[in-house]
Amino acid sequence: DAMVIQNPRYQVTQFGKPVTLSCSQTLNHNVMYWYQQKSSQAPKLLFHYYDKDFNNEADTPDNFQSRRPNTSFCFLDIRSPGLGDAAMYLCATSRGWGAEREGNEQFFGPGTRLTVL
Amino acid sequence: GQSLEQPSEVTAVEGAIVQINCTYQTSGFYGLSWYQQHDGGAPTFLSYNALDGLEETGRFSSFLSRSDSYGYLLLQELQMKDSASYFCAVSSEESGYNKLIFGAGTRLAVHP
Repeated sequence: DAMVIQNPRYQVTQFGKPVTLSCSQTLNHNVMYWYQQKSSQAPKLLFHYYDKDFNNEADTPDNFQSRRPNTSFCFLDIRSPGLGDAAMYLCATSRGWGAEREGNEQFFGPGTRLTVL
Repeated sequence: GQSLEQPSEVTAVEGAIVQINCTYQTSGFYGLSWYQQHDGGAPTFLSYNALDGLEETGRFSSFLSRSDSYGYLLLQELQMKDSASYFCAVSSEESGYNKLIFGAGTRLAVHP
């Protein structure tokens, strides 16, 4: 089945120790997104890509970086995790973007739960 | 600026009908989406409305009134498995052509 895969599902890191989260998709979608979601809150967009065109949210901390080496893969790097970065990180894709359904129907991976000690 | 408002919690009994409302404020509105998220799970797309009216998909329906900046998600014949958080999300020129802005979510608890 076509899907969005995230690895690892659970990640524990130490304060200040860099961590990389990965996402892959077999949907062949053009757009990929990274969201941060804290408990009982809405998903918060960090970055998105249309193909290799990178878009950074204005309020995404510099501590967060992203890479998309090809259509299928996307990585989220947290350079120096703080306690406040503990959250669920969700990767999502969409076929397109804009006002049509294909831009609004996003397919989410299962998420990576990050714990910072 | 943009804003979305939806109730924080709704409680209903199995077999009943529940309506979750969402009001939004944005400029250059494109459409309103609904997502379901079970505890510990990923959001799952339910519906998208760009035009006024009601869209039905099985037990779930979604409604939009662009003139009132208002929409709702209607869940019929509630089942225990419908207990989850439901997010409305807006796409618009203001948010950017390729982004969704999510509401804070409504936690639905279905009781026997």
